[in-house]
Amino acid sequence: QKEVEQDPGPLSVPEGAIVSLNCTYSNSAFQYFMWYRQYSRKGPELLMYTYSSGNKEDGRFTAQVDKSSKYISLFIRDSQPSDSATYLCAMSLIIQGAQKLVFGQGTRLTINP
Amino acid sequence: GEEVAQTPKHLVRGEGQKAKLYCAPIKGHSYVFWYQQVLKNEFKFLISFQNENVFDETGMPKERFSAKCLPNSPCSLEIQATKLEDSAVYFCASSQSGVFIAEAFFGQGTRLTVV
Repeated sequence: QKEVEQDPGPLSVPEGAIVSLNCTYSNSAFQYFMWYRQYSRKGPELLMYTYSSGNKEDGRFTAQVDKSSKYISLFIRDSQPSDSATYLCAMSLIIQGAQKLVFGQGTRLTINP
Repeated sequence: GEEVAQTPKHLVRGEGQKAKLYCAPIKGHSYVFWYQQVLKNEFKFLISFQNENVFDETGMPKERFSAKCLPNSPCSLEIQATKLEDSAVYFCASSQSGVFIAEAFFGQGTRLTVV
């Protein structure tokens, strides 16, 4: 079993729809929870990160963490064609004093005009 | 610079040849991380540096992979005797902090194809 599970999609929705992206994880030692957006042939770009359970909002994006269920979500409101990308969840873990990111598989999202 | 610069963008090597990838971190960032992204977007951590010192190398396949970050030079990741399974996009990221990785910025990657 992978430490971080993410449905690879693809996910296709019409413009203006609310998008929900999810990840589950198995390791309760994870401390930070992040969402990255990756456009084709580009590097990942950090969208949001959270530390504790609850919601964090930034414009059209809301990140949600439920540590008791080991489940995180990213919601995109009023989705736009420019939101079409691969969305990767990532979680940070400290091993031997060094922190590293463990990524989900990524969900490929297409917003149709 | 203001962005992580990776060169080359594309690299094609015959099986058994050597491959060398370069990464110039953002100016002022002390930490550099290398990740390997294989098919289906799976990211695998390889190694991290604090300045020129190895910070964490738990992800490195040590038999054929090596990496360096020397003063006043781009960091490098070298693969000796490449294998088909080394085909991937290799990303470098840099950060001011080695602990708070949420602040890491990624380069655009080097796509290595081993034929």
